[in-house]
Amino acid sequence: QKEVEQNSGPLSVPEGAIASLNCTYSDRGSQSFFWYRQYSGKSPELIMSIYSNGDKEDGRFTAQLNKASQYVSLLIRDSQPSDSATYLCAVNPNSNSGYALNFGKGTSLLVTP
Amino acid sequence: DADVTQTPRNRITKTGKRIMLECSQTKGHDRMYWYRQDPGLGLRLIYYSFDVKDINKGEISDGYSVSRQAQAKFSLSLESAIPNQTALYFCATSDYKLEQFFGPGTRLTVL
Repeated sequence: QKEVEQNSGPLSVPEGAIASLNCTYSDRGSQSFFWYRQYSGKSPELIMSIYSNGDKEDGRFTAQLNKASQYVSLLIRDSQPSDSATYLCAVNPNSNSGYALNFGKGTSLLVTP
Repeated sequence: DADVTQTPRNRITKTGKRIMLECSQTKGHDRMYWYRQDPGLGLRLIYYSFDVKDINKGEISDGYSVSRQAQAKFSLSLESAIPNQTALYFCATSDYKLEQFFGPGTRLTVL
C-alpha cells in the first residue's frame, strides 16, 4: 500500500503568521506531488504542484520537496482567516506509468483573527 | 461555465435501488476519475479511466461499476445501493501532468 501521511490537526495559527503543513510518503519512486485545499462540503481545489527537489513559490504559497527524506510541505505566508480549510497532500507513485494519485487524509488549518 | 460538472448534486435513495452518477467535462482531458469521501477516511479512488477504451479499478471498486461513454463523459453506477455507500462522490479529470481537477461533488444518501 502506497501511503501518504498527514497530521490531521487542527493546526491553529494566528492571522498574519506562517502556516506549515507537512506530508510524508512511502513510495520512494514517487515523482509528482500536489497540494489541494478543500473547504467543508466543497470539492478539492489544486493549489500547487511540485516535481523537483527544492522550493516552488506561488504568491503566498511555497511548496517544498525533499525526495531523499520522502517529505513534502506547504507553507502559507501571511495566513488569512479565508485560508481556514483542510489541505490535502497527493502523490503520484510513478508519473511514467500513469498511476492515479494517492491522497492523504488532510490537515485541518484554522486561522484565527 | 464549470469545467467539470456532476449530476445530480444531491440524491437520496433506498437500499437496493440502482443509481447512476454522471460526470461531464469540457477541459479536453483524457483521464477521468471517481472518488468517494467519507469523514476520517479521506478521498478513496473507486475507478479511473485513461481513455474511452481504458477502465481501471481503484482501491474500493466493489459494489460500483463505470461507463466511459465519450472522452468527456464518465458515469458511476451503484447496482444495488446499500447504506454504507452513503458518501460524498467526486469526479475528477487530469491531463498528462496529472494535476487533477474536481467536479462539485454529489452527496448521496442511501436509506
